[in-house]
Order: sequence, then structure tokens, then C-alpha cells
Amino acid sequence: GAGVSQTPSNKVTEKGKYVELRCDPISGHTALYWYRQSLGQGPEFLIYFQGTGAADDSGLPNDRFFAVRPEGSVSTLKIQRTERGDSAVYLCASSASGGVMNTEAFFGQGTRLTVV
Amino acid sequence: AQKITQTQPGMFVQEKEAVTLDCTYDTSDQSYGLFWYKQPSSGEMIFLIYQGSYDEQNATEGRYSLNFQKARKSANLVISASQLGDSAMYFCAITGRGSNTGKLIFGQGTTLQVKP
Repeated sequence: GAGVSQTPSNKVTEKGKYVELRCDPISGHTALYWYRQSLGQGPEFLIYFQGTGAADDSGLPNDRFFAVRPEGSVSTLKIQRTERGDSAVYLCASSASGGVMNTEAFFGQGTRLTVV
Repeated sequence: AQKITQTQPGMFVQEKEAVTLDCTYDTSDQSYGLFWYKQPSSGEMIFLIYQGSYDEQNATEGRYSLNFQKARKSANLVISASQLGDSAMYFCAITGRGSNTGKLIFGQGTTLQVKP
């Protein structure tokens, strides 16, 4: 498709389990971002990739969260030992260039993660 | 650190009338960019408009315009001729240079309801 694709759209997991969330950006977009959005709040920055490398991971809340983008395209956000507080919508976005301020970021539909 | 403040949790507007959504920001960057995004109940984030800090004119995109007052650090969104489909959550966001490159910092959002 032409847009940012995130899978799964919904994920329910038990506390303590490991989850992986996938993001397929727009083809050719070098910059990829992960955000977390809690109910009624604005998206919160987690991590930003420029190509294969994490240019800024300052938003990752703790070492249970990790993200990769091995070939500079698809990215996976990995959460270990999930906690109920991790429940949120995880949004992925991509842009043609991360270093240019006026470049629009295109968002996916998000993955709704529920930890029970 | 950069910060966005949206003080209106909810707004109502009559169809076909104009509405202003408030946004104030804080940043230490000399060069920065301001975005507005719309998030309907379906969840996707839709880019509306961008304003660069050095842009001399207020940005406009169709029915959307940005009332940029740099000295007051405000970047209000004006929607003219409101339509029922404008009912959604609206987020103001900022990006910048250096450590702020690439990432968007969002406000809490404003829920807009358009009445027929």
C-alpha cells in the first residue's frame, strides 16, 4: 500500500509477556518514528531512526523497550516483560527526511496494545 | 526542552462558522517548526498545516490557517467554514534542531465538535 502500515492493529497480551509491534513505512522514506499515545493524551515520542540507526532513543521509557530497523525499512518495536502501564496505542510514522523540519510525517493507524 | 500547551480540552462550533484552536509553545531553539494534526475517531493522524519559525507569512492550507505570533509563542489553528467532518481531536506539535531534530513534541490536544 501507499501508506504506513502497522501490524497487528490490536494486541492483547498477559502481564510479563514479550510483544513485538511491526511498522512498514512508506517506500523510500528514510526517517521512521515510534510514538506512544495513552487514552485522551497526545502522542509521546519514543524513538527516531534515520536509515538503520537510532538517531534519538531518548523517549524510550526504560530498558524493557527496544526497537530495530535492520535494513532501513521495516521497524519492530519490542517490549519485554510487559506491564499494565504499557497499555496504549503505539503509533509509527515515516518521513522522506528526518533532518528537514518542514517535512511532513505520515502516521500509521497504530497498534492498540492491551496488557491484562 | 520543547513543550506545547493546548488549554482547550473541548470546543464546540456551529457548522459553517469559523473556530480557533489555541496552541502555545516553549522552546530554546532559534529555528523550529510547528505542525497541526487532526485525529478522527478512527485513530489516524492527518497532517493539516506547517509553520516555520522564520516564515514571515502565516501558513494557509485551504480552510486551515495558522495564526502565528512569534513574540507571544502562539500558533493557533483557525478553521473556516466548519464542516461536520471536522469533528475530531486536534494536536499542535513542535520540532526543532540539534537534540530536537526529527521528533515531534505534541500537546494534549483539543476535541472539536461541529454542530449541525
